[in-house]
Amino acid sequence: SQQGEEDPQALSIQEGENATMNCSYKTSINNLQWYRQNSGRGLVHLILIRSNEREKHSGRLRVTLDTSKKSSSLLITASRAADTASYFCATDLQGGSEKLVFGKGTKLTVNP
Amino acid sequence: DAGVTQSPTHLIKTRGQHVTLRCSPISGHKSVSWYQQVLGQGPQFIFQYYEKEERGRGNFPDRFSARQFPNYSSELNVNALLLGDSALYLCASSLALGSLNEQFFGPGTRLTVL
Repeated sequence: SQQGEEDPQALSIQEGENATMNCSYKTSINNLQWYRQNSGRGLVHLILIRSNEREKHSGRLRVTLDTSKKSSSLLITASRAADTASYFCATDLQGGSEKLVFGKGTKLTVNP
Repeated sequence: DAGVTQSPTHLIKTRGQHVTLRCSPISGHKSVSWYQQVLGQGPQFIFQYYEKEERGRGNFPDRFSARQFPNYSSELNVNALLLGDSALYLCASSLALGSLNEQFFGPGTRLTVL
């Protein structure tokens, strides 16, 4: 079963615009990670945010985490055509094994 | 440095056959995990191995099995293939156990069952 649910399922924007994707999850977590996947290939790790952190930045990426609402958001600023990909959030369940539980992903299209 | 490698990249099998997928972790990584990704879905956890021992198993039937070798490479075996086993199989390696260890994913093996 999927722990995380990304929203929206698909997002289409113009180059230079910002893209925001949201992730909600159901149970307490140790940390939350965001991954990118290009055209059904391997996953690329973007950023990890711990359960005691509220915000994290990495280049053009900004991730927030609200454990009270069990939600996270990924903001990509000044998007580029190369950002076109599917984005997944993955949670590492508190008290459970170290397996990652992924959502269904958001498919982002950045139009040149 | 080489990343996680998987072989083969693509595979076509028929129902009832069995398949073996292989994964080589990043040098120095001792933990290997396997995930199944069906088209349009996120990856689903199958197994985790660390130091040749199974450390976690997802909700998959006994037709799925895996092992880890002394050099930390791993094999995923699937017996009695079903059409529903068609998916991208992803291998991920991490340095050690622990929830803060980043998992590095390979390019995957795309399995098609006819």
